[in-house]
Amino acid sequence: NAGVTQTPKFQVLKTGQSMTLQCAQDMNHNSMYWYRQDPGMGLRLIYYSASEGTTDKGEVPNGYNVSRLNKREFSLRLESAAPSQTSVYFCASRVKGNYGYTFGSGTRLTVV
Amino acid sequence: GQQVMQIPQYQHVQEGEDFTTYCNSSTTLSNIQWYKQRPGGHPVFLIQLVKSGEVKKQKRLTFQFGEAKKNSSLHITATQTTDVGTYFCAGLPSNTGKLIFGQGTTLQVKP
Repeated sequence: NAGVTQTPKFQVLKTGQSMTLQCAQDMNHNSMYWYRQDPGMGLRLIYYSASEGTTDKGEVPNGYNVSRLNKREFSLRLESAAPSQTSVYFCASRVKGNYGYTFGSGTRLTVV
Repeated sequence: GQQVMQIPQYQHVQEGEDFTTYCNSSTTLSNIQWYKQRPGGHPVFLIQLVKSGEVKKQKRLTFQFGEAKKNSSLHITATQTTDVGTYFCAGLPSNTGKLIFGQGTTLQVKP
């Protein structure tokens, strides 16, 4: 099993450009999440999807949109990238209930 | 807002010394989880604690959940170089379904 797969692994954008970060899981998990990680800030929740067809805002949703395409895939879109969105982005999933999250390997995004 | 604070932010130890990181929540938690992130890697789930006063062990790692379910600790006995990384606690407040991560404690181990 691949677990949680994120693409791309690295990306450099110019301010104002748009892009979509892709995430797919093959564990039949119900819930999926997008986090950003910045030095000294821990992991902050951007958006999450408790189940297929639903999405909700997390702690830092401004400047992002998401799509839960199906049970496997949950994408994160930056419509107009800003330098403040330079970060490492992690996608995660978990089975229904209070269990640990499985994280993808991350996307390292730089906005110049 | 609801917060999960973790201390210390950094810890340097000599190989063989013990290490402890502490986690405190501003609200009561349904459960608390611990993750380890190796340098350049992604967080990996270690354990979940649910019951008040719960203590769980994984080899040299001991995890505790406070009686009031607002704090937790991770203790590593006799650290090894393979323990290097950042350890995160993550709490699930009783009144929400959103996991809140602490800032993490980065452990460096000198051989």
